[in-house]
Amino acid sequence: IAGITQAPTSQILAAGRRMTLRCTQDMRHNAMYWYRQDLGLGLRLIHYSNTAGTTGKGEVPDGYSVSRANTDDFPLTLASAVPSQTSVYFCASSELAGHTGELFFGEGSRLTVL
Amino acid sequence: GQNIDQPTEMTATEGAIVQINCTYQTSGFNGLFWYQQHAGEAPTFLSYNVLDGLEEKGRFSSFLSRSKGYSYLLLKELQMKDSASYLCAVRDSNYQLIWGAGTKLIIKP
Repeated sequence: IAGITQAPTSQILAAGRRMTLRCTQDMRHNAMYWYRQDLGLGLRLIHYSNTAGTTGKGEVPDGYSVSRANTDDFPLTLASAVPSQTSVYFCASSELAGHTGELFFGEGSRLTVL
Repeated sequence: GQNIDQPTEMTATEGAIVQINCTYQTSGFNGLFWYQQHAGEAPTFLSYNVLDGLEEKGRFSSFLSRSKGYSYLLLKELQMKDSASYLCAVRDSNYQLIWGAGTKLIIKP
């Protein structure tokens, strides 16, 4: 049982480069989320998708974009990375929209922007 | 603004009981979650409270008082594997999750 798979698990990136973090789930969940986790701060929502074909902005969307072409995949793209985007990124899903019920998280992608 | 407060770090002894508190101020309330996160790993769901009172699940219990904006997670018979961060999150009136910064629990033999 895979659940949610994220790739890459770790990446060092030069500032100004474009980067896509991949997220795939096999639970057929409707809702998916991208969070970033920084030391001393709570998880912060970047973007979310309540169902395939729709996306929405979270608390910290600037510099990031997402797409949801199908139920399973929810990639996060940094168009031009900056050092402040150094963080651990978690993809998550839930069966229903609106953060209803339990969130299932991927193992995270640790991104360092130099 | 919306705010979730938890202690940054707590230390407890193997076999003992520890209570991790969470206070919140949010725009509305639609439930409170506790997650466990071991270092370098993903958060995993522990409990959900939407009504006042205590929810017990094995060695872990979670309590909620909506009138006080307060919850706690109670861990009994502590084991070394319980060393982790414990995240409190509140779902607000817009069904968005507001997360606390987490409490790092250190278990000593």
